[in-house]
Amino acid sequence: NAGVTQTPKFQVLKTGQSMTLQCAQDMNHEYMSWYRQDPGMGLRLIHYSVGAGITDQGEVPNGYNVSRSTTEDFPLRLLSAAPSQTSVYFCASGSGGGRGYTFGSGTRLTVV
Amino acid sequence: GDSVTQMEGPVTLSEEAFLTINCTYTATGYPSLFWYVQYPGEGLQLLLKATKADDKGSNKGFEATYRKETTSFHLEKGSVQVSDSAVYFCALSDNNAGKSTFGDGTTLTVKP
Repeated sequence: NAGVTQTPKFQVLKTGQSMTLQCAQDMNHEYMSWYRQDPGMGLRLIHYSVGAGITDQGEVPNGYNVSRSTTEDFPLRLLSAAPSQTSVYFCASGSGGGRGYTFGSGTRLTVV
Repeated sequence: GDSVTQMEGPVTLSEEAFLTINCTYTATGYPSLFWYVQYPGEGLQLLLKATKADDKGSNKGFEATYRKETTSFHLEKGSVQVSDSAVYFCALSDNNAGKSTFGDGTTLTVKP
């Protein structure tokens, strides 16, 4: 089925470890974004991309890196995990023009 | 910068009651406005949208009207069902910026 695929669904990391959250979409969308969702704080934008090779920082970029080498993929890298990065992470893609975004099912990350 | 303010929850209603969830926004330019719904353990799903002033978005009995003069986009439903229990997010998007700004979400619980 067409959509946004995130892997893994669950992950436990130790403080200081690094990892990559994967995001892939098959709808040929130009725009892709990463958000984190924390209780009582809604969704906060981490990084976003308006096309292959173009990325920009969002509201809370510190501790995260992204790259966009293809239209389909937009991985999020945690450089050195900290307990403050315990959250649910959502990837989204869209084509702009007021059409809205399609979200993945999320990655629940716990850093101990 | 852009911002979205939603009425604080949680909101608890009896089945068949009338629902209103208030949403106001601050933005430069002329953004598109959206309501998303999130069911437990899932990602966000686009519920409805409006791309210009006075547009009414509607879906599954929910509706919202883009009011530029009051910078509002309130969500309404005439008769809620238990299956409408979820978290609802108001959001705006600058059509060509490649990102969205979300409110904090409002949790709706509908009791039989």
